[in-house]
Amino acid sequence: NAGVTQTPKFQVLKTGQSMTLQCAQDMNHEYMSWYRQDPGMGLRLIHYSVGAGITDQGEVPNGYNVSRSTTEDFPLRLLSAAPSQTSVYFCASSWQREANTEAFFGQGTRLTVV
Amino acid sequence: AQSVTQLGSHVSVSEGALVLLRCNYSSSVPPYLFWYVQYPNQGLQLLLKYTTGATLVKGINGFEAEFKKSETSFHLTKPSAHMSDAAEYFCAVSYSTGANSKLTFGKGITLSVRP
Repeated sequence: NAGVTQTPKFQVLKTGQSMTLQCAQDMNHEYMSWYRQDPGMGLRLIHYSVGAGITDQGEVPNGYNVSRSTTEDFPLRLLSAAPSQTSVYFCASSWQREANTEAFFGQGTRLTVV
Repeated sequence: AQSVTQLGSHVSVSEGALVLLRCNYSSSVPPYLFWYVQYPNQGLQLLLKYTTGATLVKGINGFEAEFKKSETSFHLTKPSAHMSDAAEYFCAVSYSTGANSKLTFGKGITLSVRP
């Protein structure tokens, strides 16, 4: 069972570079989301999607774009990387957008911007 | 706005001792409450959740939590700590807000277990 797969696991970028963090799930989940994890701050929601073609902003969306062309994939794009975007990024998915369902997480992408 | 407070950032216990990790939430409507665990270099996985019904919830690996509405708390406990319990623990809350629900996490607590 693959679950939620994130690539790459590690990445170093220079300030101003762009890149895409990939996220794919094979559970046919409607709801997908991106979080960033920073020390002492827990996980903060960046963007989320309730289905193919539908995305919305979370708590900290600035500097990031998303799209959802298929149910399976939900890539996160950094348009012009900044040192403040150094973080661990997690993709998550759940069966429904209902509040009481379990979220399944990928193993994370550790991004360093220098 | 919904929020979660996890007091302290680090808890250290001896192997075999009681584990108690505290979580308080703010709410004006009934919440759904979750505990997630993150082992080193891994993603988060669900330990247990409270939605409705019985207020004492049992999860995986011997953990349990009790929803106390009067105290707005959802503390996580385990009677006897094991070395393998060393990890970071996150309390989270969500509410049904119509079209979309959002999961809000606390800042996390790192649990260390001493031999």
